[in-house]
Amino acid sequence: GAVVSQHPSWVICKSGTSVKIECRSLDFQATTMFWYRQFPKQSLMLMATSNEGSKATYEQGVEKDKFLINHASLTLSTLTVTSAHPEDSSFYICSALDSRNTEAFFGQGTRLTVV
Amino acid sequence: ELKVEQNPLFLSMQEGKNYTIYCNYSTTSDRLYWYRQDPGKSLESLFVLLSNGAVKQEGRLMASLDTKARLSTLHITAAVHDLSATYFCAEDQNQGAQKLVFGQGTRLTINP
Repeated sequence: GAVVSQHPSWVICKSGTSVKIECRSLDFQATTMFWYRQFPKQSLMLMATSNEGSKATYEQGVEKDKFLINHASLTLSTLTVTSAHPEDSSFYICSALDSRNTEAFFGQGTRLTVV
Repeated sequence: ELKVEQNPLFLSMQEGKNYTIYCNYSTTSDRLYWYRQDPGKSLESLFVLLSNGAVKQEGRLMASLDTKARLSTLHITAAVHDLSATYFCAEDQNQGAQKLVFGQGTRLTINP
């Protein structure tokens, strides 16, 4: 089956620092990946769509200068939370679209805590 | 504005009982997904419903899709404790592009 790996699974960082989260498709090529954010006891909200070799498309209300997305290869997308603040603490989940199927597969998620 | 609404949002039930979670969505999409999420974990795909009238079953769970009514249901039969989790439905915003809009989630607790 299609496997999507996210790293790290959890990270604690100091306020004002930057954190990079990786999303890899392990056994398929993903031209499109998605980044979601989930606050405690809430649903998932799409932050941005990441397309290989082009700029990401951000959803309304998501600051593109704060959440930098890079999709440099067909198997890797990264999300960098710049100048993190406590309100950025959340569960970040990526998904990767396997174009051979009709489904995107989710990574394990990254729990970010900013202190 | 695209909207996906689930009900109930919280459900506490006894083992052995049956219940249904409802998912109403706002567009004419014919793609609807159901996921399970355990505390602290990511999403586990349960069902992918790709056409009107689609019905899929796995164990004690059965999902259906009525695109005319813009309604999907997740039916639980003879619930067991292991099914306790949060269940999300999601609509594909862009027919196959997998840009998903999620419902609020239904937190299901099954008591022995």
